[in-house]
Amino acid sequence: GENVEQHPSTLSVQEGDSAVIKCTYSDSASNYFPWYKQELGKRPQLIIDIRSNVGEKKDQRIAVTLNKTAKHFSLHITETQPEDSAVYFCAAPPNAGGTSYGKLTFGQGTILTVHP
Amino acid sequence: DGGITQSPKYLFRKEGQNVTLSCEQNLNHDAMYWYRQDPGQGLRLIYYSQIVNDFQKGDIAEGYSVSREKKESFPLTVTSAQKNPTAFYLCASSRAGPQHFGDGTRLSIL
Repeated sequence: GENVEQHPSTLSVQEGDSAVIKCTYSDSASNYFPWYKQELGKRPQLIIDIRSNVGEKKDQRIAVTLNKTAKHFSLHITETQPEDSAVYFCAAPPNAGGTSYGKLTFGQGTILTVHP
Repeated sequence: DGGITQSPKYLFRKEGQNVTLSCEQNLNHDAMYWYRQDPGQGLRLIYYSQIVNDFQKGDIAEGYSVSREKKESFPLTVTSAQKNPTAFYLCASSRAGPQHFGDGTRLSIL
């Protein structure tokens, strides 16, 4: 099955700085990689995802990069703001199975704190 | 997402008691999932269902049971066999797309 490792477990930055969270996965056939943001006591919400046929995807201040050879993908947040403070989770399918969506294996999460 | 409703928001269980957590979705999603979240840990899959009347065990199914009699509903029962049930339980659904989550149920032991 898929093994997803996420680093760092905690990340503290000053407002306006960039934040980078990295995940590695074990199944080379995995082809879909979402990132979720979870604020305290609330549901995880999808913030960005990437499929294996592209190397980078951007959405305003958020970007995800994928290195299939090295089997890792990263979340980049630029110009961080205090409201970016939350727990961020990466995920990958436990096996490709010919589909991009379905069961996911989640990373352990990164607690991001943005100081004003 | 407003289309996935979990209830109750808080639930307390006595020793030896079974409790059932509700998850309803009106998104017409085929697949539904149950996750357990413990402090400082990621989401761990308990059970999932891809179609009505069919479900599969996830990574931590022991002490839990589910049913999928209707497309809209995927209740989770935490049985007395689950010795450490205190956690935040999240339900999710998907249909040829990313998973969307409900607001969760926080279960505690009295």
